[in-house]
Amino acid sequence: AQSVTQPDIHITVSEGASLELRCNYSYGATPYLFWYVQSPGQGLQLLLKYFSGDTLVQGIKGFEAEFKRSQSSFNLRKPSVHWSDAAEYFCAVGAGNQGGKLIFGQGTELSVKP
Amino acid sequence: GAVVSQHPSRVICKSGTSVKIECRSLDFQATTMFWYRQFPKQSLMLMATSNEGSKATYEQGVEKDKFLINHASLTLSTLTVTSAHPEDSSFYICSVSRLAGGLGEQYFGPGTRLTVT
Repeated sequence: AQSVTQPDIHITVSEGASLELRCNYSYGATPYLFWYVQSPGQGLQLLLKYFSGDTLVQGIKGFEAEFKRSQSSFNLRKPSVHWSDAAEYFCAVGAGNQGGKLIFGQGTELSVKP
Repeated sequence: GAVVSQHPSRVICKSGTSVKIECRSLDFQATTMFWYRQFPKQSLMLMATSNEGSKATYEQGVEKDKFLINHASLTLSTLTVTSAHPEDSSFYICSVSRLAGGLGEQYFGPGTRLTVT
């Protein structure tokens, strides 16, 4: 069965520091992979997605993620975190043969220290 | 991106009553919409896939008679929580997909906070 694991429930980084949020997935075929961000009181916003091709994908707000098939990972990175990046981050995997269903990870809450 | 609205944003109801939540795709026609449930500090759990003009497909463990889904048009899907109980209190989120069958990117609504007293 498909699953997504985000090992870190809560991460705190200092403003200006680099960030990496981990995501591991379990899926038999090549997955569709997504990172979403959820701010308090707001809906989920897509940061970036991987369907095929270049394994390093660029997203909005300066985020990037790298698909590593050998490690079943899709970690999210940002070189310099801003205070406004504090939010909940969700990794998700989608299966094309299951009608576009998304399976979400548990989420990682990011706090940013001034 | 796409604009998805949900109404109401918050609702409080008494145990035993029913509540209807609307999900609208404002800038494109969506043949497929999804309904998720999110408990505090937890992830989103897919409840059902809503297809325009046909019956919704429910995930295992989701009571279809309790969570009624109607996708009457290409821009509107509704979720009705029937005979609500306190354990139904949760954050309900819908999403829409541009592509047939719901493939690819999904766009999410802002969510509806349901509290059952």
